Amino acid sequence: DIQMTQSPSSLSASVGDRVTITCRASQRIGNNLNWYQQKPGTAPKLLIYTASTLQSGVPSRFSASGSGTDFTLTLNGVQPEDFATYSCQQSYSTPRTFGQGTRVEMK
Amino acid sequence: EVQVVESGGGLVQPGGSLRLSCTVSGFTFSGSWMSWVRQSPGKGLEWVGNTNPAGSEQYYVDHVRGRFTISRDNTKNSLYLQMNNLRDEDTAVYYCARDFATRTSDYWGRGTLVTVSS
Repeated sequence: DIQMTQSPSSLSASVGDRVTITCRASQRIGNNLNWYQQKPGTAPKLLIYTASTLQSGVPSRFSASGSGTDFTLTLNGVQPEDFATYSCQQSYSTPRTFGQGTRVEMK
Repeated sequence: EVQVVESGGGLVQPGGSLRLSCTVSGFTFSGSWMSWVRQSPGKGLEWVGNTNPAGSEQYYVDHVRGRFTISRDNTKNSLYLQMNNLRDEDTAVYYCARDFATRTSDYWGRGTLVTVSS
């Protein structure tokens, strides 16, 4: 199975900050990488697919890049509604493994 | 409007069985791959398995294969997860989700909680 490792596990940010989360795959996965946002007690929400494609309706302050094994998710100008947990997922092969999640907390 | 609604969760003893259901509307269920994803309390997300639109192919994560079975009824816009020989570590919120072309899950339900405990 492909292992997905995110860093950091958690971070503190203030409204307006720029935040970057990284995700590393244990083998090359091309651009087969998704990012999800999840708030407590709710279902995950798709933010980004194929490494850098913004899902419809997702604010443009979210961006992502990467290919192969190393990927990043960037929030430019964190808003109050962005405090949540972010998870990456590879869709290159089955099982479609997730990273352990990065919790973005308010400073 | 897309709706995905899971049901069937509850408390079950180790070794027991449970069948989860997922009913959808607002998209073409019969043309969609569908997945089950779970999340143990305080833990990350885990992909459990999925099935193709016809229900003729299923794929599972190793540690549920042989115990869990995914099926669907396209006439009822419904997806199912039959879980047998349940273990403590199967305790989780189970989500149903639609997959689109890039093997990405875009529409998710709110989940149903399964608790395995004696």
